[in-house]
Amino acid sequence: QQQVKQSPQSLIVQKGGISIINCAYENTAFDYFPWYQQFPGKGPALLIAIRPDVSEKKEGRFTISFNKSAKQFSLHIMDSQPGDSATYFCAANSGGYNKLIFGAGTRLAVHP
Amino acid sequence: KAGVTQTPRYLIKTRGQQVTLSCSPISGHRSVSWYQQTPGQGLQFLFEYFSETQRNKGNFPGRFSGRQFSNSRSEMNVSTLELGDSALYLCASSGVTGDTEAFFGQGTRLTVV
Repeated sequence: QQQVKQSPQSLIVQKGGISIINCAYENTAFDYFPWYQQFPGKGPALLIAIRPDVSEKKEGRFTISFNKSAKQFSLHIMDSQPGDSATYFCAANSGGYNKLIFGAGTRLAVHP
Repeated sequence: KAGVTQTPRYLIKTRGQQVTLSCSPISGHRSVSWYQQTPGQGLQFLFEYFSETQRNKGNFPGRFSGRQFSNSRSEMNVSTLELGDSALYLCASSGVTGDTEAFFGQGTRLTVV
């Protein structure tokens, strides 16, 4: 019940295309859903986050869509760029604690 | 504003030894969490400290322990190292109450030989 399932495991997108990564969860107590971006040799960097009282949040080229009834959320990267090539992790949290449950990660490659 | 600082960046230890990793959170942050990242298991939560108290603990053996000091700096200790402990250990700090965004350090790469 603590799991967050992430798909796909890897993704190849052409420059300018849309990258879509999906996550699903079971624990209805989760109330905070961040996405992290990680480059090789670096720690994860917070990209964007959403709480279940909204269905969508957009920051620049990055959008989170949230479906509370389906217990799913997704990250959309519009106009994908080669510099977006990284590993993306979805995560979930509950209870106001600094305890994140991570998905397995998606390795994104954006080809020029 | 300085980010989360982890030291050392790299460590090589021998099986059976113990190791201590350090994390300095963002100034003003009182919550520090530790994670283990491996290719096989991904990012797994180890424990969280808030105001010098362990507030949450993941499913790791007792060889993994931590503590937090009054200035919010945290240390993580692994005793009797095993080959499987080789991983990137990440520290994340969060705000005053711990329920805000978590910011990660660059990690400590531990190799056990």
